[in-house]
Amino acid sequence: KAGVTQTPRYLIKTRGQQVTLSCSPISGHRSVSWYQQTPGQGLQFLFEYFSETQRNKGNFPGRFSGRQFSNSRSEMNVSTLELGDSALYLCASSLQGGPSGANVLTFGAGSRLTVL
Amino acid sequence: GDSVTQMEGPVTLSEEAFLTINCTYTATGYPSLFWYVQYPGEGLQLLLKATKADDKGSNKGFEATYRKETTSFHLEKGSVQVSDSAVYFCAQLRGSNYKLTFGKGTLLTVNP
Repeated sequence: KAGVTQTPRYLIKTRGQQVTLSCSPISGHRSVSWYQQTPGQGLQFLFEYFSETQRNKGNFPGRFSGRQFSNSRSEMNVSTLELGDSALYLCASSLQGGPSGANVLTFGAGSRLTVL
Repeated sequence: GDSVTQMEGPVTLSEEAFLTINCTYTATGYPSLFWYVQYPGEGLQLLLKATKADDKGSNKGFEATYRKETTSFHLEKGSVQVSDSAVYFCAQLRGSNYKLTFGKGTLLTVNP
């Protein structure tokens, strides 16, 4: 069973550009979440999608957006990149998301973004 | 708001030593609790979980017990190996907000 696949694994952008990151969840998983990991702030929640609907959003500016497609694949976009956006962006999938601990999140290897 | 506090690292141990990484949480209600591990250059892997008070999660020799009275979920292992060297994250999942709240992470280094 394939795991969560994130592409690209590494990318370098310059300030002001935009970037799109992709996440393919485990087959059958309908919930996809995104997290930002930085040395200073640790792991912070960006957003969660289920059946193409955003159910929750973290405390990030509007430059950060996402979407989910009918096949559960998800993309996140960051526009007008800033130096502080340099981070590891992690995607996670689960069967349904939500409050039950049975809905365990499985993480991908991440996309490491460097903004110059 | 929800938060998770775990002991500051780094933690350096010799092989076969006993490991404890403390974790406490603040949340209303009854969150589910998790320990994730991150090896260098990789994403997060679920190590163990507990979904209700007094549950004990265990995996690969690691254990943690959900203590509601002390709002804690401390990670323990009786005999660590060099291969256990990694960053360990405590996390909680509460109610219907569909998100994990993580601690800052604890870097563990095990020397031979």
